[in-house]
Amino acid sequence: AQKITQTQPGMFVQEKEAVTLDCTYDTSDQSYGLFWYKQPSSGEMIFLIYQGSYDEQNATEGRYSLNFQKARKSANLVISASQLGDSAMYFCAMTPRSNDYKLSFGAGTTVTVRA
Amino acid sequence: DAGVIQSPRHEVTEMGQEVTLRCKPISGHDYLFWYRQTMMRGLELLIYFNNNVPIDDSGMPEDRFSAKMPNASFSTLKIQPSEPRDSAVYFCASSYGTDTQYFGPGTRLTVL
Repeated sequence: AQKITQTQPGMFVQEKEAVTLDCTYDTSDQSYGLFWYKQPSSGEMIFLIYQGSYDEQNATEGRYSLNFQKARKSANLVISASQLGDSAMYFCAMTPRSNDYKLSFGAGTTVTVRA
Repeated sequence: DAGVIQSPRHEVTEMGQEVTLRCKPISGHDYLFWYRQTMMRGLELLIYFNNNVPIDDSGMPEDRFSAKMPNASFSTLKIQPSEPRDSAVYFCASSYGTDTQYFGPGTRLTVL
């Protein structure tokens, strides 16, 4: 079974600064995918970024980048140049690639961007 | 392109009533997932389908919950009878194979 740990329940960040959200995972699978989703106060789940376990380069999507350290089993999300609209709950998630496609989610981190 | 569509967006019902939640996945996606989100338990996978066939329903809480996918463009999650502890946000998501799962807007269910 997979386990996702997000140790930061809440964070404050100043507008235009960068913020790093921690995520560690535990799996015995060799092939897996890591995802980050954003959930604003409106409630929808918005896909942000994906990293495959065999990808050698860290994933980037606009202001989002994923700091993937496979040996440490960590997949931290970095949001650069924070904006007020980045205030939301952020979830790290993982799915094995070997035999099923179930997403396991962490508990989430609430980010509040201050003007 | 249309994303995952869920209806209703909000549902308020009384204990003991039947509740049916609906989902239309993204066209061309072959996997469909139902999740439940609560404050206490976070996001939990209830069941998922591949090509309209249920693959894993181990997350379905009990026999009061059932899900169907009669065709590639429609799925339902039914709760009968509903109980107050079923109050949650229910998400439907779809994907093409092992690609990213895209979520619908969710249905906020309140059982009084």
